[in-house]
Amino acid sequence: ELKVEQNPLFLSMQEGKNYTIYCNYSTTSDRLYWYRQDPGKSLESLFVLLSNGAVKQEGRLMASLDTKARLSTLHITAAVHDLSATYFCAVDGYGGSQGNLIFGKGTKLSVKP
Amino acid sequence: SQTIHQWPATLVQPVGSPLSLECTVEGTSNPNLYWYRQAAGRGLQLLFYSVGIGQISSEVPQNLSASRPQDRQFILSSKKLLLSDSGFYLCAWASTLYEQYFGPGTRLTVT
Repeated sequence: ELKVEQNPLFLSMQEGKNYTIYCNYSTTSDRLYWYRQDPGKSLESLFVLLSNGAVKQEGRLMASLDTKARLSTLHITAAVHDLSATYFCAVDGYGGSQGNLIFGKGTKLSVKP
Repeated sequence: SQTIHQWPATLVQPVGSPLSLECTVEGTSNPNLYWYRQAAGRGLQLLFYSVGIGQISSEVPQNLSASRPQDRQFILSSKKLLLSDSGFYLCAWASTLYEQYFGPGTRLTVT
């Protein structure tokens, strides 16, 4: 059974600090996705990582993928309050044509002044 | 560009009543479509997915059913709601890279 584990599940940060969210998964996969969810809202796609060593950056967020270690990281640089949200990683563990994603439980990030 | 719609946005239903949630996608053809449920403060649970008209796969046994009567329409139904059916229901479609794009969601409260 494919498992996707995120840690930490809760993260309280001060503005201006750096931190990393980790996403481990239990089977081989070449595709990994990061999503953001604001309270009461739907999920917004942040990054799609399609190969080993892939790195993508958008603003203060940078995501990377190591398929050999089955690990993705979401690094937050100089956090600001607007980044407060829940972040999910997801893995395409089935391949084929279904595109079924397995989601982690999410990391709830709170950035405090 | 592609757009995904869900309705209603919120719904309060008594236990034992029927349910019908609708999802439609614009701007793409033959998308893979998905229904998820998110319980309060929890992660996403995949309920159903569909790779084409009339083709429905269920991930978990439950009180719900899904149908895809048209290429870009996905419906989630129940004949009799349970309290445990409360949650935030999200519809999604997948791009060719299998990146999933989510609709705005329906918040269902069963009383």
